[in-house]
Amino acid sequence: LAKTTQPISMDSYEGQEVNITCSHNNIATNDYITWYQQFPSQGPRFIIQGYKTKVTNEVASLFIPADRKSSTLSLPRVSLSDTAVYYCLVVGSGAGSYQLTFGKGTKLSVIP
Amino acid sequence: DVKVTQSSRYLVKRTGEKVFLECVQDMDHENMFWYRQDPGLGLRLIYFSYDVKMKEKGDIPEGYSVSREKKERFSLILESASTNQTSMYLCASSSLRTGAYNEQFFGPGTRLTVL
Repeated sequence: LAKTTQPISMDSYEGQEVNITCSHNNIATNDYITWYQQFPSQGPRFIIQGYKTKVTNEVASLFIPADRKSSTLSLPRVSLSDTAVYYCLVVGSGAGSYQLTFGKGTKLSVIP
Repeated sequence: DVKVTQSSRYLVKRTGEKVFLECVQDMDHENMFWYRQDPGLGLRLIYFSYDVKMKEKGDIPEGYSVSREKKERFSLILESASTNQTSMYLCASSSLRTGAYNEQFFGPGTRLTVL
């Protein structure tokens, strides 16, 4: 079962690039890495997912090194509206059931 | 847009009561999930279901049961509520057709207080 570790909090100024790293040392061969964003009083919302190397969409990039023991969510030029909690999720299957392991989340505060 | 709705945003119950939390999704998703969210602990999976009448235990199933009689509806049951079950409960759904349990769509959550 892949356990994930993320920083508890991060601060950033508006307009900067923010990188949030998640460690998942026990990731299995078939596991995927997914990131979610959560605003107060709302459910989490999917941002991006990947298996290896680099994935980019309109809001973020996800970098996964060759050993896949960590991943980095990159948010370009953050704004105040990016203030939220970001969760790293490792999704895998094995032994007749599926494991979904959320990290404890990183609270990002964007400062004007 | 996928919509996941939960029966209540706020709920107050007394210790020992039987509590039902209902979740409905409108996108014909195969998978449905129940999580609880507590400060400092993140989201923890209680149960999930990959088909009607099928269920699998998550990380913290003790004290909970679930029911999935129809594809669109997934219920979380607290047989005898206790104060340590005071929490935010989140329901989610996802489609097998996109592969793995990657993109989950979450409801707004139910904040349950057990007195």
